[in-house]
Amino acid sequence: ELKVEQNPLFLSMQEKKNYTIYCNYSTTSDRLYWYRQDPGKSLESLFVLLSNGAVKQEGRLMASLDTKARLSTLHITAAVHDLSATYFCAVDEDRDDKIIFGKGTRLHILP
Amino acid sequence: GAVVSQHPSRVICKSGTSVKIECRSLDFQATTMFWYRQFPKQSLMLMATSNEGSKATYEQGVEKDKFLINHASLTLSTLTVTSAHPEDSSFYICSARESRGLYNEQFFGPGTRLTVL
Repeated sequence: ELKVEQNPLFLSMQEKKNYTIYCNYSTTSDRLYWYRQDPGKSLESLFVLLSNGAVKQEGRLMASLDTKARLSTLHITAAVHDLSATYFCAVDEDRDDKIIFGKGTRLHILP
Repeated sequence: GAVVSQHPSRVICKSGTSVKIECRSLDFQATTMFWYRQFPKQSLMLMATSNEGSKATYEQGVEKDKFLINHASLTLSTLTVTSAHPEDSSFYICSARESRGLYNEQFFGPGTRLTVL
């Protein structure tokens, strides 16, 4: 059974600091997704990572994937208050249609 | 981009009534749609996978008779919560996967907040 673990689950940080959210998964997969969720809202797709070594960047967010280590990271550079949200990683089960979500990381950026 | 809508966005109902939630893919065809439930401060929990023209596949612990799913066309799936009770109050989110999508990506609807009194 595929398990997806994120850490930390909660992160309070100051503006202009850098930090990384980690996503580990337990079985082989060739697709990993990062989503953002604001309070009371649905999911917003941030990144789709398809292959080992994939790196994608959008603004202050950068995501990478290491399929050998079964690890993805979401790096935040020089955080700003607008990035406060919950971030989920999700992994596509190879044998199945569905994706499995991590528990999410609640990011709170202090002005 | 791929857009998924849900209706209604918010519903309040009395205990014992049934509530239907619609999920539509607006600009693409979706052979597969997914229904999730999310409780406050928790992750999304997959309830069922819905394929057009066939019966839905429910996750373990999800009651088929309570959560009726119909995927009648390539752009519409419905979730009916039958005989709703306060413990069914939750945020229900659907997603749709494009039939010929390259990345197998799911596109999420805006969610429906159900409150059962």
